[in-house]
Amino acid sequence: KAGVTQTPRYLIKTRGQQVTLSCSPISGHRSVSWYQQTPGQGLQFLFEYFSETQRNKGNFPGRFSGRQFSNSRSEMNVSTLELGDSALYLCASSFNGSVNSNQPQHFGDGTRLSIL
Amino acid sequence: LAKTTQPISMDSYEGQEVNITCSHNNIATNDYITWYQQFPSQGPRFIIQGYKTKVTNEVASLFIPADRKSSTLSLPRVSLSDTAVYYCLVGGRGSTLGRLYFGRGTQLTVWP
Repeated sequence: KAGVTQTPRYLIKTRGQQVTLSCSPISGHRSVSWYQQTPGQGLQFLFEYFSETQRNKGNFPGRFSGRQFSNSRSEMNVSTLELGDSALYLCASSFNGSVNSNQPQHFGDGTRLSIL
Repeated sequence: LAKTTQPISMDSYEGQEVNITCSHNNIATNDYITWYQQFPSQGPRFIIQGYKTKVTNEVASLFIPADRKSSTLSLPRVSLSDTAVYYCLVGGRGSTLGRLYFGRGTQLTVWP
């Protein structure tokens, strides 16, 4: 069974640009969550999608957005990039998104985004 | 929020058994306990999950006492490749859908 796939693996952008990251969940998983990981802040939750609907959102500015397609694949977009957006962006999928179940989230290896 | 407390770092030698204990005094009745392992520049990898008593899989064991206020991840006979950050997670708070709360984790270093 294939794991969570994130593309691209590495990305370099400049300030002011925008970027789109892609995530393909494990087959059968309908919930996709996105996280940002930085050395200073650790892993922080961005948002979660289920059946093409955003169900939960973390405390990030509106420059961070996402969407989910009918096949459960998800994309995350960051507009007007800032230096502080440099981070490892992780995607995780699970069967239904409930953290209080025996269906844990499984993570991809992330996209390393560097802003110059 | 069932806040978790775990040691910031631990050291071990190859071939030893490592036990990492996590405290979660405010765990709720329906909270599961989940452990992840993370290597640099990779995503967290699910290790094991449990609700009560003991759970064992091919890589680790999870011991949960009756009061569930703590849990212990046991890694048998560690190797150099087990050097990683280990996270203990418990349940969630508020709108928890799809949202895991990661603390700082425990940096385990295995020496030859």
